[in-house]
Amino acid sequence: QVQLVESGGGVAQPGRSLRLSCAASGFTFSYYAMHWVRQAPGKGLEWVAIISYDGVSKFYTDSVKGRFTISRDNSKNTLYLQMNSLRVEDTAVYYCARDPSYCTSGGCHSDLYGMEVWGQGTTVTVSS
Amino acid sequence: QSALTQPRSVSGSPGQSVTISCTGTSSDVGGYNYVSWYQQHPGKAPKLMIYDVTKGPSGVPDRFSGSKSGNTASLIISGLQAEDEADYYCCSYAGSYTWVFGGGTKVTVL
Repeated sequence: QVQLVESGGGVAQPGRSLRLSCAASGFTFSYYAMHWVRQAPGKGLEWVAIISYDGVSKFYTDSVKGRFTISRDNSKNTLYLQMNSLRVEDTAVYYCARDPSYCTSGGCHSDLYGMEVWGQGTTVTVSS
Repeated sequence: QSALTQPRSVSGSPGQSVTISCTGTSSDVGGYNYVSWYQQHPGKAPKLMIYDVTKGPSGVPDRFSGSKSGNTASLIISGLQAEDEADYYCCSYAGSYTWVFGGGTKVTVL
């Protein structure tokens, strides 16, 4: 079955860095675009970033532009989120999620509704 | 990228129907038929319940349905059951490969 497992969360001081990972299994990872979504304690969901199936195209929410970098290693079936210059307001549970859009050798299917499958999340706490 | 507007809470008795609204703008909800809804139980990951405004993924009970009129989308839960008590979030494509969520609605089964 489709599974997404995040790791790499922890406690970091403001201004420091963390790298999150998301290991995918149960589907052909290299076919799908992938998202990161976060949820601050007691708050709602916030979309963070998306990366295309081939890693070429990347888009971010305004509050993380220039600080966070989404990337992927299709040979390792793994998605990453490099978080630099962390702020207290980055404290959240970070979820990776599979986008419904995919590309195969036979062509591409696009759907822009959001997130089809979610991981269980990893917690990031930014505090001095 | 302002959050979509949802009521903080709605409630209903078992068997009743409840409707959760999700109001955005012509730049998101009103501009695209790419609205999705997610159910989240405490301490758990979100789960997709409705996509493309009205479509239900395989495995989701057909008690859950969606609609949209103008800049407002709605999630309707018919025949409310105890296990439906959870937080629900709407999400809309907002153009330029960005997405925006609603603030979330807590559904209470009385």
